[in-house]
Amino acid sequence: GNSVTQMEGPVTLSEEAFLTINCTYTATGYPSLFWYVQYPGEGLQLLLKATKADDKGSNKGFEATYRKETTSFHLEKGSVQVSDSAVYFCALDSNFGNEKLTFGTGTRLTIIP
Amino acid sequence: EADIYQTPRYLVIGTGKKITLECSQTMGHDKMYWYQQDPGMELHLIHYSYGVNSTEKGDLSSESTVSRIRTEHFPLTLESARPSHTSQYLCASSEGSSGNEQFFGPGTRLTVL
Repeated sequence: GNSVTQMEGPVTLSEEAFLTINCTYTATGYPSLFWYVQYPGEGLQLLLKATKADDKGSNKGFEATYRKETTSFHLEKGSVQVSDSAVYFCALDSNFGNEKLTFGTGTRLTIIP
Repeated sequence: EADIYQTPRYLVIGTGKKITLECSQTMGHDKMYWYQQDPGMELHLIHYSYGVNSTEKGDLSSESTVSRIRTEHFPLTLESARPSHTSQYLCASSEGSSGNEQFFGPGTRLTVL
């Protein structure tokens, strides 16, 4: 079956540090890949996505590249801000037509000034 | 503005009570979903729907039930709440094509005493 393995947290960084949150997946075929973010007290919102190999998703300074050879979709940001403190979820859609997402366990990120 | 709404945001009730968590979306999406989120952040799909009069059990067994009488409305009901039902419940919807994002509501935090 499908699975998503995400970097364990929590992660604490200083403002302006470089961020990487690792995500690897197991799926048959060609899934679509997503990063969602959950700010305190809110639901999830889409941060970025990629639907085919070598695609790069980007938004708000965050980037992730769909690497089929390493089955990875690592999230990166060059300079984090306090406002980036949140929980980040990696997810995949198998594209087999059932439109169900498989989520990773989430990584809590805290940025200190 | 197209959106997805959940009410109540917070609910504290006693054991044995019947409760209904409301979820509505104004985007005309066919697909809707209910997730249960652990205190440790992990998301579990408990119900989903592909359209009116369609409901399916998710990956995590749940004592709750759902109905889908109208496209925009996907309520979740617990006939007799127990402390083990204490959790965050998130509702989501999507257009339904593979690779499309799911839009999440703000969640209902349920506490059963």
